[in-house]
Amino acid sequence: DTGVSQDPRHKITKRGQNVTFRCDPISEHNRLYWYRQTLGQGPEFLTYFQNEAQLEKSRLLSDRFSAERPKGSFSTLEIQRTEQGDSAMYLCASSLATLNEQFFGPGTRLTVL
Amino acid sequence: TQLLEQSPQFLSIQEGENLTVYCNSSSVFSSLQWYRQEPGEGPVLLVTVVTGGEVKKLKRLTFQFGDARKDSSLHITAAQPGDTGLYLCAGVNVNTGFQKLVFGTGTRLLVSP
Repeated sequence: DTGVSQDPRHKITKRGQNVTFRCDPISEHNRLYWYRQTLGQGPEFLTYFQNEAQLEKSRLLSDRFSAERPKGSFSTLEIQRTEQGDSAMYLCASSLATLNEQFFGPGTRLTVL
Repeated sequence: TQLLEQSPQFLSIQEGENLTVYCNSSSVFSSLQWYRQEPGEGPVLLVTVVTGGEVKKLKRLTFQFGDARKDSSLHITAAQPGDTGLYLCAGVNVNTGFQKLVFGTGTRLLVSP
């Protein structure tokens, strides 16, 4: 299967802990996106990479959030000092720069207790 | 600011019925995509439309992009229980300058046998 993969699928943590999620995009895709989805809502854009460069960050991405794509392949999203309001589904998507079709991974469901 | 409004928000129908879901905006989109999402999973891309007035068919699903590229519709003929899910429209706004997807509010469809 050459789709987008995300790890872990589920994460339960206590408030104040740090968490890190990983996304592996479709191998030939040079663009990678992170979105957040809360219950009953559509996904909201967080940040976007073209190759290893982070080109845009949403205002939703507070200082506690950091994303990296060090070699232009997989990406990580870290949340420091988690808060209950961070509980959500974190989705990763990838696309080719030449085609605006984004393919999503299965998501990581974060629950902050 | 929610740029894309979907209607209806929830639809419960019997197997064999037809239905239409609408996605409306006051903004112009360079492309618009429809996704279907199952509980606990990421959105799955159904179709991308890019040209005003474009119509695309995917088996029993018919997608249309408005002439002014501000709205779209999804029509399902003879709905089946397997069509149950959350339908999301998402577009790239011509003013954002990059490929961020803006998602609609979603339409939750339930098809009963």
